[in-house]
Amino acid sequence: GNSVTQMEGPVTLSEEAFLTINCTYTATGYPSLFWYVQYPGEGLQLLLKATKADDKGSNKGFEATYRKETTSFHLEKGSVQVSDSAVYFCALSENTGNQFYFGTGTSLTVIP
Amino acid sequence: IAGITQAPTSQILAAGRRMTLRCTQDMRHNAMYWYRQDLGLGLRLIHYSNTAGTTGKGEVPDGYSVSRANTDDFPLTLASAVPSQTSVYFCASRGGTHTQYFGPGTRLTVL
Repeated sequence: GNSVTQMEGPVTLSEEAFLTINCTYTATGYPSLFWYVQYPGEGLQLLLKATKADDKGSNKGFEATYRKETTSFHLEKGSVQVSDSAVYFCALSENTGNQFYFGTGTSLTVIP
Repeated sequence: IAGITQAPTSQILAAGRRMTLRCTQDMRHNAMYWYRQDLGLGLRLIHYSNTAGTTGKGEVPDGYSVSRANTDDFPLTLASAVPSQTSVYFCASRGGTHTQYFGPGTRLTVL
């Protein structure tokens, strides 16, 4: 079946530190992969996505590369800011698009 | 453009009561979803609808029902609420390239 596993948090970093949040997946076929961000008290917002192997999604300084050989989609940012404090969810969509599968979320706190 | 709206924002409900959570989208998306979010469990799919007039069960459908009379509205009903249904509920719709768009959520407490 389909599933997503992401690193457990919480993660606490100092401002300007490098961020990596690991995400691996199990899927049949060729899924699309996503990172969503949830700020306190809000719904999930799409951060970035990749729809095929070797694609790199990027947005707001965040990047993730769709690695089929390692079934991974790790989220990275070179220099985090306090405003990046949020919960980050990795997700996959099966190629029919009918259902999404989410990881359990990783809470990130960036301290000044 | 509002995107997805949900109502109420929050609700405290006595066990055994019936409750309907409302969800409306203005993006004309065919597919819509209801999730619950619980600490340590991420988001779990309750029900979904691929198009108006059709619905399907997700991972945790028991105790919930949905209807999809038109494209814009996708209400979620708890027929007889129980404390284990205390959660934050998110409605979502699916647009192009399989991207899902989420509402702001409803925080439900069942006592």
